[in-house]
Order: sequence, then structure tokens, then C-alpha cells
Amino acid sequence: AQTVTQSQPEMSVQEAETVTLSCTYDTSENNYYLFWYKQPPSRQMILVIRQEAYKQQNATENRFSVNFQKAAKSFSLKISDSQLGDTAMYFCAFMKHGSQDSNYQLIWGAGTKLIIKP
Amino acid sequence: DTEVTQTPKHLVMGMTNKKSLKCEQHMGHRAMYWYKQKAKKPPELMFVYSYEKLSINESVPSRFSPECPNSSLLNLHLHALQPEDSALYLCASSQPRTLYSGNTIYFGEGSWLTVV
Repeated sequence: AQTVTQSQPEMSVQEAETVTLSCTYDTSENNYYLFWYKQPPSRQMILVIRQEAYKQQNATENRFSVNFQKAAKSFSLKISDSQLGDTAMYFCAFMKHGSQDSNYQLIWGAGTKLIIKP
Repeated sequence: DTEVTQTPKHLVMGMTNKKSLKCEQHMGHRAMYWYKQKAKKPPELMFVYSYEKLSINESVPSRFSPECPNSSLLNLHLHALQPEDSALYLCASSQPRTLYSGNTIYFGEGSWLTVV
């Protein structure tokens, strides 16, 4: 069974600083997808970034980038030039690339609450 | 702006009431989901519809009844709920995986349900 671990329950940084959120996962699969979702106080779950395991290049989306270390099963999220609007709960999630039902199953980490201070 | 729209945003219902949560997506996706989320926890998958057919039911109590009238709409019918069912209910959609693409799930804003 797959598991996802986010070891930082809460973090806080000053506005404009860079922050890195940690995520590790356990799987015996070779093909899979990893996601970071953001859930601000409004509670909408927003996709931040996605990484395919077969791609060696780390995904980036504007100020958000990941450090994907497949051998170490690590998938950290770096937020550069943090903004007040980045304050949210961040969830790391894993999805297998395999049989039909696994296409729909996201395995979630417990989440990291990120607070950006002015 | 989300392309998965949920109504109502907030719902308060008694334990004997019957109500429904509604979800609509306009992204042409063929898979739709219901999740339940309690405070400070990740979402828990309840149901998945793929091509309008129920694909996954995560052993959800029968007081929750999903319905997928067409590929754009998803309903969750609620009857005889318990106070512990109070939670945020998230609808989501995705394009089912093909050989070369993964399955990225997009969420709506959620419906807050309070059972009194």
C-alpha cells in the first residue's frame, strides 16, 4: 500500500521569503503521479503543481517548484517570494498509474499548514 | 475561478430532512467525484462516476445517495443524516487516464453541510 508523509504540521515564514514543504512517500510502483494541492481558508482545493514519475525534470509553475527525488521517494514543494495569499493548508498526494480504479484514487498526506506573515 | 461549481455553498439540515448537493463541470471531463472533508484532515473519497457509471463506492452509508444525470452533473442526495456527517463536501472532476496522460483531479469550492 502507498503512504504519503508530510512531517511538518505547521510552518510560518515572512512575506517574500522562500519556504520548502516536505513530502515523502512509500510505494513499490515505478509509474505514478505526485501532486501538491493548496487549500486556503476559503476551503477550495486548488491544484498547485503535478509531477509525472517518469519525468526527470522537476515541475515548475511560476513561484512554485518541486524537488522530485525518485530514488529517495521525496517530493518537496518550494515557494519563492512568498505572498500573503499563499497562506493555506498544503497537501501532498500520490496517484498510481495503473489499473482502472487506481486512476481515481489519490493518497493524501496529512497536510502542512503554511502561514505567511506580513 | 473554479470550473467545477457546487451548490449550495452552505446547507443546514435536520436529521429527518432530505436535501441534495449539486455539482456541475464544464471542462468536458468524464469522471466525477464526491469527497468528504473534516476539519484539518485531507479529503476522503466517497464516490467516483466514470462515464456516468458508478465506478467506486467507498463503503459509504446508504443515507448518502449519488446520482450522475449526465457527464456534466453530479448530485449527492442526503437523507436521515447524523450530526457526525457535518463536514465540507467536495465535488471534483477529471479526464480519465489515457495511455499517455495521467489523471489530474480538479475540485470545486465545496459545500459546507451542518446536520442539526
